[in-house]
Amino acid sequence: DAGITQSPRHKVTETGTPVTLRCHQTENHRYMYWYRQDPGHGLRLIHYSYGVKDTDKGEVSDGYSVSRSKTEDFLLTLESATSSQTSVYFCAISAGTGLSTDTQYFGPGTRLTVL
Amino acid sequence: DQQVKQNSPSLSVQEGRISILNCDYTNSMFDYFLWYKKYPAEGPTFLISISSIKDKNEDGRFTVFLNKSAKHLSLHIVPSQPGDSAVYFCAASAYSGGGADGLTFGKGTHLIIQP
Repeated sequence: DAGITQSPRHKVTETGTPVTLRCHQTENHRYMYWYRQDPGHGLRLIHYSYGVKDTDKGEVSDGYSVSRSKTEDFLLTLESATSSQTSVYFCAISAGTGLSTDTQYFGPGTRLTVL
Repeated sequence: DQQVKQNSPSLSVQEGRISILNCDYTNSMFDYFLWYKKYPAEGPTFLISISSIKDKNEDGRFTVFLNKSAKHLSLHIVPSQPGDSAVYFCAASAYSGGGADGLTFGKGTHLIIQP
């Protein structure tokens, strides 16, 4: 199994509060990704990173920001959580050849509930 | 619009028989396709992939077939086993020139293997 951990694994918060989710990898992979999974939608890309301090937006980036100050850590921040951000969040990593044939490996997920 | 479609939300197959999961895509820029398997409360697990230069890839009980002209791929599992009961996601990637900018997922098919 790829060395990917996510913290916290479960979180309940209130609308309007800031929330930060952490993804940590031990594989020294260049690329890291954040996805959310919702019923009826599969997984959708929020943001991704192709190196330290290098990030870009995905399909559903509104309301989210990310930071990557170290190769091993990729943080996802909800500046002011809303109920529509209740979801399961998955982090993924890939070795980073930059080609589409890079396989992504996923972490165990964080279940976030915004009340 | 959905670029990757899995039109069967669920599929029930008898143990020992063949399971066939289908996936259609609309974006002709996709050149790499993956199947992931997901158990409840876990992250997606990579199963098998295929590049657009091939039409078949096999790994043990799992075979993926790609028909580029029809923009269709399928995953065959032979023989099906109880542990195969899970949600299967089809995913696709395109080389954007700037790097591996994430996967586009279908909504998933819940495979149930009946004893």
